[in-house]
Amino acid sequence: DQQVKQNSPSLSVQEGRISILNCDYTNSMFDYFLWYKKYPAEGPTFLISISSIKDKNEDGRFTVFLNKSAKHLSLHIVPSQPGDSAVYFCAASGPGNTPLVFGKGTRLSVIA
Amino acid sequence: DAGVIQSPRHEVTEMGQEVTLRCKPISGHNSLFWYRQTMMRGLELLIYFNNNVPIDDSGMPEDRFSAKMPNASFSTLKIQPSEPRDSAVYFCASSFRTGRNTEAFFGQGTRLTVV
Repeated sequence: DQQVKQNSPSLSVQEGRISILNCDYTNSMFDYFLWYKKYPAEGPTFLISISSIKDKNEDGRFTVFLNKSAKHLSLHIVPSQPGDSAVYFCAASGPGNTPLVFGKGTRLSVIA
Repeated sequence: DAGVIQSPRHEVTEMGQEVTLRCKPISGHNSLFWYRQTMMRGLELLIYFNNNVPIDDSGMPEDRFSAKMPNASFSTLKIQPSEPRDSAVYFCASSFRTGRNTEAFFGQGTRLTVV
């Protein structure tokens, strides 16, 4: 059973608009959450993270929101740029720095 | 630092052959992970090492898969014999694990095709 779920396989957004990528998790022991970005023929690269003691973390155009009661996190990209077109993976880990568990990814297409 | 280095980048092999994938983690990192990416299952953890010791190999699909980490700067993932369903992209990642959570850094992956 998947512990980290990204229910939208793809998302298409116009340049300049906001992109919102969603992620749900089932394991209440997860206490650290990350987003990775992946371009074709490359490995995933770390984008932004959030600890369970926070509900928001911001880095430039990227903001991650965490709703622990709903076991839900989201990544907001604003404004979206064509270079943001990639596959975005949500990941989580638990206490003791356990390995990252990944969702299946959401392919974001930003249309100029 | 050059990052996590994987070789080969692409591997095409015939069913039944042995395949060895290689990984050099980032210097100073003490944890190494092998992941496999497929359309159906996304990124799934196969095995991970802490300080060169295998900690959890429950993600290894079958006995045909084995992994070693003889020293802090090298790891291999071997498939013997290979099967067409093993075709996927295999990623190696490393991290420096202390008491705090931290991100893992990924290599560029090895695209394996078994025909």
